Amino acid sequence: EAAVTQSPRSKVAVTGGKVTLSCHQTNNHDYMYWYRQDTGHGLRLIHYSYVADSTEKGDIPDGYKASRPSQENFSLILELASLSQTAVYFCASSWDRGSQNTLYFGAGTRLSVL
Amino acid sequence: GDSVIQMQGQVTLSENDFLFINCTYSTTGYPTLFWYVQYSGEGPQLLLQVTTANNKGSSRGFEATYDKGTTSFHLQKTSVQEIDSAVYYCAMRDISNTNKVVFGTGTRLQVLP
Repeated sequence: EAAVTQSPRSKVAVTGGKVTLSCHQTNNHDYMYWYRQDTGHGLRLIHYSYVADSTEKGDIPDGYKASRPSQENFSLILELASLSQTAVYFCASSWDRGSQNTLYFGAGTRLSVL
Repeated sequence: GDSVIQMQGQVTLSENDFLFINCTYSTTGYPTLFWYVQYSGEGPQLLLQVTTANNKGSSRGFEATYDKGTTSFHLQKTSVQEIDSAVYYCAMRDISNTNKVVFGTGTRLQVLP
């Protein structure tokens, strides 16, 4: 069974503060992703990575940085948190091998910026 | 750019009703199409997927058929149960392009007993 673990599960941050969300996968997957979930917007891609030490911008990268120091770990960094970044964040991983490209999601991190 | 459209934000049915959730997509490439389901308090999980090679997928009583002509990928189930209450996401992966996965806005299904 694929395993993607996110930490913390919930966090309260202050406006202007730095926030780091962490994701760890034990699937040996190539790809890792960070999505943001908001009511009315569904899941929107922030950043993704297909190899360690390299990240790519998704559809809504502004205000976020990502880091992939190893194949197993992928972090999302909010250098200056803002109220508009209050949301639930999901990390996911996947293969990129023909039909084996299912996304496996973590349980999510609920971030509240006050 | 690539996009996935789900027009129904919420669907409310009674047990044993027929389910139909609309999904259309737009891409210039060759997509793999997915339906993901998200139960309360959990992350999304794969329900079914379809490639352009095999135009129909099914799982747990749900079915989806890929129609290239209308660029649609609707989800159906003949008889829903209360346990099917969840949010359903249509998604697309274009392996000929950036290989990223794009999701629709989701449809919340509530099944009443």
